Amino acid sequence: EAGVAQSPRYKIIEKRQSVAFWCNPISGHATLYWYQQILGQGPKLLIQFQNNGVVDDSQLPKDRFSAERLKGVDSTLKIQPAKLEDSAVYLCASSPLTGGTGANVLTFGAGSRLTVL
Amino acid sequence: GQNIDQPTEMTATEGAIVQINCTYQTSGFNGLFWYQQHAGEAPTFLSYNVLDGLEEKGRFSSFLSRSKGYSYLLLKELQMKDSASYLCAVRSLRGRRALTFGSGTRLQVQP
Repeated sequence: EAGVAQSPRYKIIEKRQSVAFWCNPISGHATLYWYQQILGQGPKLLIQFQNNGVVDDSQLPKDRFSAERLKGVDSTLKIQPAKLEDSAVYLCASSPLTGGTGANVLTFGAGSRLTVL
Repeated sequence: GQNIDQPTEMTATEGAIVQINCTYQTSGFNGLFWYQQHAGEAPTFLSYNVLDGLEEKGRFSSFLSRSKGYSYLLLKELQMKDSASYLCAVRSLRGRRALTFGSGTRLQVQP
């Protein structure tokens, strides 16, 4: 099966500019996650969707970050305006809704590396 | 909240065995995961424990003790390609499948 697709792979912007990242999960996966991974740290959850509804966005800096999954398939994460500390890799992951251990396994995309200058 | 601790770096020799420890604190534990992440790549799933004991999968094994809040990942017959970061992650009942990750252990395998 095709994996989780993300674009762009790399993006360099100046602070106060805006940026958007796109994610297409594995076909049939109801749950989609956006994680932020700063260099040398583990991934940190930003937002979790189930179908097109938000399950958890408690760690999303809502003054500058927004995310949507309008049709319950692909998703977009936006940052506006960007700050220097937003430099990180933005990882998208998906998982199925049901089914034993498989339901618990998150499959990650290759990530979008953001550099804010 | 959740707290996950693992060593920052480890070094081991090709062909040897290495154990990477992870301790965690969480309310409503619902599974512990290990992921491997090569530099510049996505994390990939290695193992999953929800009950106490050892899960073996080829050269990799993972152990869980829920009462101690402790897990380890055991890598046998180390190969150079095992040089990567190893991420310990916990799922809580409240988390609705989302994982909370530790900072990762960077393993360097030397010839």
